[in-house]
This record gives sequence, C-alpha cells and structure tokens, in this order.
Amino acid sequence: EPEVTQTPSHQVTQMGQEVILRCVPISNHLYFYWYRQILGQKVEFLVSFYNNEISEKSEIFDDQFSVERPDGSNFTLKIRSTKLEDSAMYFCASKGFNTEAFFGQGTRLTVV
Amino acid sequence: AQSVTQPDIHITVSEGASLELRCNYSYGATPYLFWYVQSPGQGLQLLLKYFSGDTLVQGIKGFEAEFKRSQSSFNLRKPSVHWSDAAEYFCAVASSNFGNEKLTFGTGTRLTIIP
Repeated sequence: EPEVTQTPSHQVTQMGQEVILRCVPISNHLYFYWYRQILGQKVEFLVSFYNNEISEKSEIFDDQFSVERPDGSNFTLKIRSTKLEDSAMYFCASKGFNTEAFFGQGTRLTVV
Repeated sequence: AQSVTQPDIHITVSEGASLELRCNYSYGATPYLFWYVQSPGQGLQLLLKYFSGDTLVQGIKGFEAEFKRSQSSFNLRKPSVHWSDAAEYFCAVASSNFGNEKLTFGTGTRLTIIP
C-alpha cells in the first residue's frame, strides 16, 4: 500500500538554527500539506501546496516557514530560525483529487 | 469557519466493552467528516469518513460512526474494544473532499483500555 514517508523521525536542534523536514508524498497525489501537533494539543493546519505554489496557509505559517517541492518526489518544510515554541510533531500529508488525506508518521522536532 | 469539538479528553473502558467517542462539528454547509486514529509513535490513520448518503458509515478495525445533522454530531462507536484500540482518536471536518481542502481537527480523545 502506498504511503507518505517522512524523515527524520526525530530532530533536535538549537534555537535559532534552520531545520528542513522532508516528506515523500504518494506518487500520484496532487495536493500536499503540513500540519503540526504541539504536545498535548490538537493537530493544526500549517500550509497546503498545489501546482508548485502555496494554496493556503494558516496564521502559524509566518515568514520563518517555507515549503518547497524541489523535484518530482520530495516536499520539504523549512523553518529558518527555530524557536522553542516550534517544538512539535510535524505531519506531512498528501491527497488525490477525490481521496482522503494520507499522513506520514511525523517528525518530532525538539528545539533546545 | 469550521470547527470540531471532542468533549472527552480521556476515556477508559474495559476490554470487551462498547465504546462511543463524541464529536460535534460546526460548519455551515454539508460537512465532510473523518475519524483518524494515532497509535503511540505512529502517524494518523484514517478509520472512516462520511461524505454523503447513508448516515451510518463503517470503517476499518470494526469501527462505525453515525452522522446526525440535527445534532451536528459524528460519534464513533465500536461494539467491543480490544487492547490494541488504545490510542488517540481525532475527529476532523473539511468543506469538501475535492481539491486541496484542509482538515480541521478536534483536540482528540485518548482511549485507555483496561483488562
């Protein structure tokens, strides 16, 4: 069964450092997303991406965040200068035209 | 704006007992509703979804959910839980399933199973 793959599974970074979270969506999907889940809180939408551009972004997705689909397979989330409050589980998801969203296993980001 | 409320933060049930997890949504038009499960250390797995038609939908692992428009609810049920059902359960709503509509999640319900 096709699946969304995220790497790394856990990343620890120092405050102020840049991090890149990587995702390989399901190959024939068209829509790509990042969500995050701060420990003990709900899963929150960050950004959606279609046709090589951002479709929608939340208030959380400020200038410190960026997304890219550098080739035909990878979908990345970059945080330019991490803050302590960026510590969370980050989920990548992909979706076909009329399918549900499929989620990856998540990357746990710890900012110290 | 759409929103989801899961009133129960934590539920404990005995193995073999029945289960109902509550979900209430707020959305002006016909919602697209989902239940996802997150096992420890795992990602989000879709249990079931409701788009239209029969208001009682069946999902994987023996789960079902009933859409009640009059109550704005989409409660998840299982007649007999197994220890492996211990996980966090999230209800979510979207305005459509076509295109790149985002999901709005509830806060989740943590399910504990006791022997």
